[in-house]
Amino acid sequence: AQKVTQAQTEISVVEKEDVTLDCVYETRDTTYYLFWYKQPPSGELVFLIRRNSFDEQNEISGRYSWNFQKSTSSFNFTITASQVVDSAVYFCALSDAAENYGQNFVFGPGTRLSVLP
Amino acid sequence: GAVVSQHPSRVICKSGTSVKIECRSLDFQATTMFWYRQFPKQSLMLMATSNEGSKATYEQGVEKDKFLINHASLTLSTLTVTSAHPEDSSFYICSAGRGPLAPQHFGDGTRLSIL
Repeated sequence: AQKVTQAQTEISVVEKEDVTLDCVYETRDTTYYLFWYKQPPSGELVFLIRRNSFDEQNEISGRYSWNFQKSTSSFNFTITASQVVDSAVYFCALSDAAENYGQNFVFGPGTRLSVLP
Repeated sequence: GAVVSQHPSRVICKSGTSVKIECRSLDFQATTMFWYRQFPKQSLMLMATSNEGSKATYEQGVEKDKFLINHASLTLSTLTVTSAHPEDSSFYICSAGRGPLAPQHFGDGTRLSIL
């Protein structure tokens, strides 16, 4: 069975601090996809990144960076120089590569990030 | 821009009312759409898979007679919460992908409040 764990329930940081959100996953599949989504207070899900299980290169997009390590089944997300607008719930998610792509979409419990001014 | 449109964004109604939520893929055809439910401060849980032209597939524990799903066309799926009660109050989100292995695009969600 697939499972996603986000051990940090809530994190509070002061603006301009760096913060890392942890994500650990479990799957028996050799091919899978990992995702991060942001859910601001308004509720909609904002897609941040998708990573194929065969691509372990770290990725940087502006203030966001992701560290994918298959050896530890982790896909951590770092926000550099955090801003108040980063305050949201962040979900890590896992999907297999089956044809019904979204059916096997498993979300972690989410981490609520509060960035204080 | 948004590729999946969900409507309405918010519903407040009395107990016993049936509520219909629409999910549309705006610029692509989706043979499959997905419906999720999110309780306050909790993660998203898949409720059902909506299949165009056939019956929806429900996850264990989800009442199919309570949550009616109709996928009448390749761009529209509807979720009807029948005879809604306060315990049905939740945030409902749909998603759709352009095809196999394509990223899922999520609607903006519907916040349902049953009084």
